Amino acid sequence: QKEVEQDPGPLSVPEGAIVSLNCTYSNSAFQYFMWYRQYSRKGPELLMYTYSSGNKEDGRFTAQVDKSSKYISLFIRDSQPSDSATYLCAMSANRYAGGTSYGKLTFGQGTILTVHP
Amino acid sequence: DTGVSQNPRHKITKRGQNVTFRCDPISEHNRLYWYRQTLGQGPEFLTYFQNEAQLEKSRLLSDRFSAERPKGSFSTLEIQRTEQGDSAMYLCASSTTRGGGELFFGEGSRLTVL
Repeated sequence: QKEVEQDPGPLSVPEGAIVSLNCTYSNSAFQYFMWYRQYSRKGPELLMYTYSSGNKEDGRFTAQVDKSSKYISLFIRDSQPSDSATYLCAMSANRYAGGTSYGKLTFGQGTILTVHP
Repeated sequence: DTGVSQNPRHKITKRGQNVTFRCDPISEHNRLYWYRQTLGQGPEFLTYFQNEAQLEKSRLLSDRFSAERPKGSFSTLEIQRTEQGDSAMYLCASSTTRGGGELFFGEGSRLTVL
């Protein structure tokens, strides 16, 4: 079983819809949770970054983390065709090397989202 | 553009040849990471540098792979005796010393091994 599970979709919604993307994980040491957006043949672009449980909102995007259920979500309101991309959840736990801590990301498989006009 | 820069963007090579990719991180970032991404999958961690020191290597990084970061600035990832299974997108990312993993990725170097 993978440490991070993400439904690959694909997910197709009409413009203006609310989109819900989800990931579950098994490693209780994960403390930092991220959502990346990746357009075709491009590198991942950081969308949201949260620490521990709770909600974070940024414009049309809301990230939720429920550590007790090991479940994270990304909501996109008023979705636009330009939101069409692959959405990757990622998470990390503090690791120690060279006398300092750093985060090594573990990614989900990615969900392919298409928003059609 | 002050983002992470990777070159070349696409490399096509024949099996058995050596290839090298270069990454220039965001200038004030002292942490640098290499990830590999295959089609339909999320990126997988390969290795991590803090300044010039390579502090962690994944078991995915076989003996044919070597990464360097001389002087703690740009980094290179070399693959020797390439195999068809090496075909993937090689992603470089950088971050500050703030813990947790807020990584900023480059656009990747796509490798195709024929």
